[in-house]
Amino acid sequence: EAGVTQFPSHSVIEKGQTVTLRCDPISGHDNLYWYRRVMGKEIKFLLHFVKESKQDESGMPNNRFLAERTGGTYSTLKVQPAELEDSGVYFCASRHWTSDGYTFGSGTRLTVV
Amino acid sequence: QQQVKQSPQSLIVQKGGISIINCAYENTAFDYFPWYQQFPGKGPALLIAIRPDVSEKKEGRFTISFNKSAKQFSLHIMDSQPGDSATYFCAASLDAGGTSYGKLTFGQGTILTVHP
Repeated sequence: EAGVTQFPSHSVIEKGQTVTLRCDPISGHDNLYWYRRVMGKEIKFLLHFVKESKQDESGMPNNRFLAERTGGTYSTLKVQPAELEDSGVYFCASRHWTSDGYTFGSGTRLTVV
Repeated sequence: QQQVKQSPQSLIVQKGGISIINCAYENTAFDYFPWYQQFPGKGPALLIAIRPDVSEKKEGRFTISFNKSAKQFSLHIMDSQPGDSATYFCAASLDAGGTSYGKLTFGQGTILTVHP
């Protein structure tokens, strides 16, 4: 079974630019989550999709962040315009509805300079 | 407000020793308590998890101890090995049902180093 795939693995962009992160969940996993870890702090929830619907987006920092999951398959997270404080590692995870356990991707390390 | 507090931030153990990482939570509605292990360059991987209806769960060298009244849970790694060197995260999530189901609240992580 293929795991959760994220790309790019690293991205360095200038403040004010736009970046789009992509996540391909495990096939058949309806639940897809985005999390972020900033500067060695705790991993924080951003949002949760069930299929193509946003179930919970209470963790999205502000309206510069836009997540989509068209067709209920892969998801994208766009940051526009990026700010310095957006730097961190962005993790995507997926979960089958019958399971409690997540499978995380390897993350995208975003650096805004 | 951090709802799950993890300690210590870092831990150094000799090979064969016992590693103990502790977490405390505030929200009594939390119903699921997993531990994740993360190696450099990889995402967190589920190690072991427990629900509050049991006080202990053991899988191989890894044991979770859970104290519902104290709102605390801990990870014990017996016979620690250099290959266990990684960052460990505790987490908690709410009851099944409702829009928050499955949303994990993480502790800050513990960097474990096991010396040969």
